[in-house]
Amino acid sequence: DAKTTQPPSMDCAEGRAANLPCNHSTISGNEYVYWYRQIHSQGPQYIIHGLKNNETNEMASLIITEDRKSSTLILPHATLRDTAVYYCIVRVNSGNTPLVFGKGTRLSVIA
Amino acid sequence: DAGITQSPRHKVTETGTPVTLRCHQTENHRYMYWYRQDPGHGLRLIHYSYGVKDTDKGEVSDGYSVSRSKTEDFLLTLESATSSQTSVYFCAISETTKSNPAGELFFGEGSRLTVL
Repeated sequence: DAKTTQPPSMDCAEGRAANLPCNHSTISGNEYVYWYRQIHSQGPQYIIHGLKNNETNEMASLIITEDRKSSTLILPHATLRDTAVYYCIVRVNSGNTPLVFGKGTRLSVIA
Repeated sequence: DAGITQSPRHKVTETGTPVTLRCHQTENHRYMYWYRQDPGHGLRLIHYSYGVKDTDKGEVSDGYSVSRSKTEDFLLTLESATSSQTSVYFCAISETTKSNPAGELFFGEGSRLTVL
């Protein structure tokens, strides 16, 4: 079972920041937080991951609370191409541990 | 993009026939996975591999077998396809290193299977 809770859907105006929340209150100390997205029927695409510290890359920022029980994925300037299902996943930092997907958040970016 | 190729990309078959889906990677990654995706269920893990000839079951492994005789290929076989196995199948690969112990998964484009 997925160990995260996400809202089923969100809307965001084009050009504005999209803030996608994720609750992972039972996260263990050695579990990372991963974010993936799936655009239409394509394969899921890796966005970002983190353990304790906030992370930023060319796609997004990841803010993890100090107690690590929740996190927020931030798309700073959402575009129509960011419309997708976004998955928040917690996973032990072991290579042979598969990702367990939940239902994710369907983000709709509106012009 | 990670070098992952799934074949065939689309297949229609009849109930009771064997089907093999192939995942080929050019990244030399150690870990490979097969997921299926169905409306209302999201992505579910079928089988995965952590090395040549090393495989393990996922949450929906019944009716499926896998083989990994070389690093670059991970085969998913439906010995006798059923209509409930109509789905989109995704392959994924990952690797871990000392500098990146939490190796992210990279996914293929999917194989759409229809069992009539």
